[in-house]
Amino acid sequence: EADIYQTPRYLVIGTGKKITLECSQTMGHDKMYWYQQDPGMELHLIHYSYGVNSTEKGDLSSESTVSRIRTEHFPLTLESARPSHTSQYLCASSGTANTEAFFGQGTRLTVV
Amino acid sequence: AQSVTQLDSQVPVFEEAPVELRCNYSSSVSVYLFWYVQYPNQGLQLLLKYLSGSTLVKGINGFEAEFNKSQTSFHLRKPSVHISDTAEYFCAVSPFGQAGTALIFGKGTTLSVSS
Repeated sequence: EADIYQTPRYLVIGTGKKITLECSQTMGHDKMYWYQQDPGMELHLIHYSYGVNSTEKGDLSSESTVSRIRTEHFPLTLESARPSHTSQYLCASSGTANTEAFFGQGTRLTVV
Repeated sequence: AQSVTQLDSQVPVFEEAPVELRCNYSSSVSVYLFWYVQYPNQGLQLLLKYLSGSTLVKGINGFEAEFNKSQTSFHLRKPSVHISDTAEYFCAVSPFGQAGTALIFGKGTTLSVSS
């Protein structure tokens, strides 16, 4: 079944640790996105990619980085986690023919 | 540039009552319009979308929305809500003819259905 997967679902980590949030999709979509969702629900685009080896920063400045080496995989990395990074991170994808985005279940990150 | 305003941050209703969640947008170009639902600790699920054609769009779970170009609105309605409709609802837009462009979301509306 075509889908989009995020791991881990929940992560509690100490300040200064390096973390990678995984996102994979099996739909063959060219476009992938990372959104950060505040506790008050608002979604902010932090990174997007329109294809392999293409990555761009979104509207909200983020200390995280992303890579797109394979079409299906779009991981997000924080080199040194801080409490201000505590949030929910949502990955999404869309295809050329599609107009809507498909979302993963999200990763809820807590930095202590 | 596009922007989305969801006029109500919280909407409490009783079970079996009708509900309307309001969404206005601003854009200098034509847009596609979407409503998503988010249940606790879940990602976003598409409820319905307007691309073109009939301005009344029907979606999943008995929801519908009406596109009003003159008022730049895309309000979501359901004639009779259930407890299970309790969730966060997001309105979103993307510019016409740019399929796959990142969606721009409103701040969300919390729908709380009680018995």
